[in-house]
Amino acid sequence: KQEVTQIPAALSVPEGENLVLNCSFTDSAIYNLQWFRQDPGKGLTSLLLIQSSQREQTSGRLNASLDKSSGRSTLYIAASQPGDSATYLCAVYQGGSEKLVFGKGTKLTVNP
Amino acid sequence: DAGITQSPRYKITETGRQVTLMCHQTWSHSYMFWYRQDLGHGLRLIYYSAAADITDKGEVPDGYVVSRSKTENFPLTLESATRSQTSVYFCASTGGFNQPQHFGDGTRLSIL
Repeated sequence: KQEVTQIPAALSVPEGENLVLNCSFTDSAIYNLQWFRQDPGKGLTSLLLIQSSQREQTSGRLNASLDKSSGRSTLYIAASQPGDSATYLCAVYQGGSEKLVFGKGTKLTVNP
Repeated sequence: DAGITQSPRYKITETGRQVTLMCHQTWSHSYMFWYRQDLGHGLRLIYYSAAADITDKGEVPDGYVVSRSKTENFPLTLESATRSQTSVYFCASTGGFNQPQHFGDGTRLSIL
C-alpha cells in the first residue's frame, strides 16, 4: 500500500530565505506527483505536477524535483515571502487505481 | 464563473438527520471526488466518479451515498448523520490523471 510522508510537519523561516519541503513515498511505481498549497479555510490549489518521466518542474519561484528510484520529491521555494505561508501537500498517482494518495502536509510560516 | 463550487460552505445539523452536500464543476471534467479532511488523518477519499452514472468507493465510504446523474454535479449525502462525520468535506475534479486535480473551497460540517 502506497504511503506518502512529509517531514517536517511544520516549518518556520524568516522572509527571504530559500527553503526545501520534502515528500517521500514508499512505492516508486508512480505515474506522477503533484504539489498542492492549502490556505486556511480553503481548498487545495495545484502548484506543480511532475510526470514520472520528468525530473523537475518549475513555476515562478517554485521548483519541484522528482527522484522516483529513491521515492522522493522536493519542493524548492526561492526567496520566500509571508504570502507563501500555507500548508503544502504532495500527492502521488500510482495508476491502476483512480485515486491520489496524499501526504499530511507541511505547514509553512514565513515571518516578516 | 468557471470552476468548482461547493454548497453550503457551513452546515450544522443533528445526529440522525440526512444532509446533502453539493458539488458543481463547469469544466466538464470526467472525474470527480469527495474527500474529508480531519486533523491527524489528513485527506481521505470517500467516493469518486469516473463519469456520469459511474461511482466507486474510496477509503472511508461507510455512512455516505453519492450519485452522478450529470457530469457537472456530484452530490454527497449523509443518510443518517453521526458525530464522527463532523469534518471538512472537499469536492475535487480532474479531466484525467495526467492533469491537476482542482478542489472546491470545502464544506465545514458540524454534527451535534
